[in-house]
Amino acid sequence: DQQVKQNSPSLSVQEGRISILNCDYTNSMFDYFLWYKKYPAEGPTFLISISSIKDKNEDGRFTVFLNKSAKHLSLHIVPSQPGDSAVYFCAARDGSSNTGKLIFGQGTTLQVKP
Amino acid sequence: DAGVTQSPTHLIKTRGQQVTLRCSPKSGHDTVSWYQQALGQGPQFIFQYYEEEERQRGNFPDRFSGHQFPNYSSELNVNALLLGDSALYLCASSWEGLRGAYNEQFFGPGTRLTVL
Repeated sequence: DQQVKQNSPSLSVQEGRISILNCDYTNSMFDYFLWYKKYPAEGPTFLISISSIKDKNEDGRFTVFLNKSAKHLSLHIVPSQPGDSAVYFCAARDGSSNTGKLIFGQGTTLQVKP
Repeated sequence: DAGVTQSPTHLIKTRGQQVTLRCSPKSGHDTVSWYQQALGQGPQFIFQYYEEEERQRGNFPDRFSGHQFPNYSSELNVNALLLGDSALYLCASSWEGLRGAYNEQFFGPGTRLTVL
């Protein structure tokens, strides 16, 4: 039962262009959605989050969009930089649990080519 | 300010053995969660500790157990190791703060467990 899905295992973009990473979910009880970035040999690092009551959140080059009717969120990185090359995980919090338990997608490996 | 630390970095065990992994939370944090990340997958929630008690558990067998100490550090124990337990084990800490509010989780670098 995969409640959070990232259907694209990998994405390759040119430096300076836009990177769009996608995520789908099934559980309507999710109240927060987050994106984490992970480099090899390091733990996931928090990137940006969005509450389920919002449809957009922006932080510098990173913007997350939430479409609740479609149960879909996306992360836009503009402009993409070679240092953005990493594995990106979409995660969701089950609002009914109150413990902060996160449910992760499988991850998308982003490669930004110079 | 040290972030979340985990030990050891790598560990090799054989089937049937037992293992203990350790985690020290970020300063000021009182809640510790453990995740298992198999190769090519996202992290999967094992359990969470708060006030020295297991508060919530994911879909893992009783072979997985844990403990939280008064200084908020935590241990993850896995008994009767199986080949399928080979994974990266991540510890995440957070501050309980306001119940119900989203409290950001900070992850450690993980412990890579290999079961032969």
